[in-house]
Amino acid sequence: DAKTTQPPSMDCAEGRAANLPCNHSTISGNEYVYWYRQIHSQGPQYIIHGLKNNETNEMASLIITEDRKSSTLILPHATLRDTAVYYCIVRVPADSNYQLIWGAGTKLIIKP
Amino acid sequence: EAGVAQSPRYKIIEKRQSVAFWCNPISGHATLYWYQQILGQGPKLLIQFQNNGVVDDSQLPKDRFSAERLKGVDSTLKIQPAKLEDSAVYLCASSWGQGLEAQYFGPGTRLLVL
Repeated sequence: DAKTTQPPSMDCAEGRAANLPCNHSTISGNEYVYWYRQIHSQGPQYIIHGLKNNETNEMASLIITEDRKSSTLILPHATLRDTAVYYCIVRVPADSNYQLIWGAGTKLIIKP
Repeated sequence: EAGVAQSPRYKIIEKRQSVAFWCNPISGHATLYWYQQILGQGPKLLIQFQNNGVVDDSQLPKDRFSAERLKGVDSTLKIQPAKLEDSAVYLCASSWGQGLEAQYFGPGTRLLVL
């Protein structure tokens, strides 16, 4: 079962910042948070990941709360091409390996 | 660099038939994953290879699904015999290793079982 909870859908105006929330209240100390997105009819695309510090790259920023029970993905200036399903995922240990447990994600629609 | 390649892109078969999907990962990527994605859901890991060895196949229905990565490069996933509930998109992904690296996904194969 997924260890994350996300709203099923969100809207955002083009040019505005899109803030996508994620709850992961049962996360353990060494479990990372990953974000991927999936544009319609394509394979998922990696966005960013983090453990406890805030992270930023050319695509987005990831803000993780101090207690690590929730996080927010920020797309600073959303464009129509950012319309996609966004998955917040916790990487969990599985035997001698790690596994990404995917939920249903948030469908983000960017409106002109 | 070239991305993850998958074929075919679409396949329609009748139940009880067999089907095979092919994946060629990004050059140099040691880890290869097969996922099943049912409509409206996130991907579910079926099997993970590290080079040509299986790391995790705990969610692979082994009575009907099989996968191989004989030379540690490309891989084949087979379903035999197919059931109606196997209708899904089958995604292949690859990564440098098993650590924190991003997984790079192919476009997927959309399977419809009638």
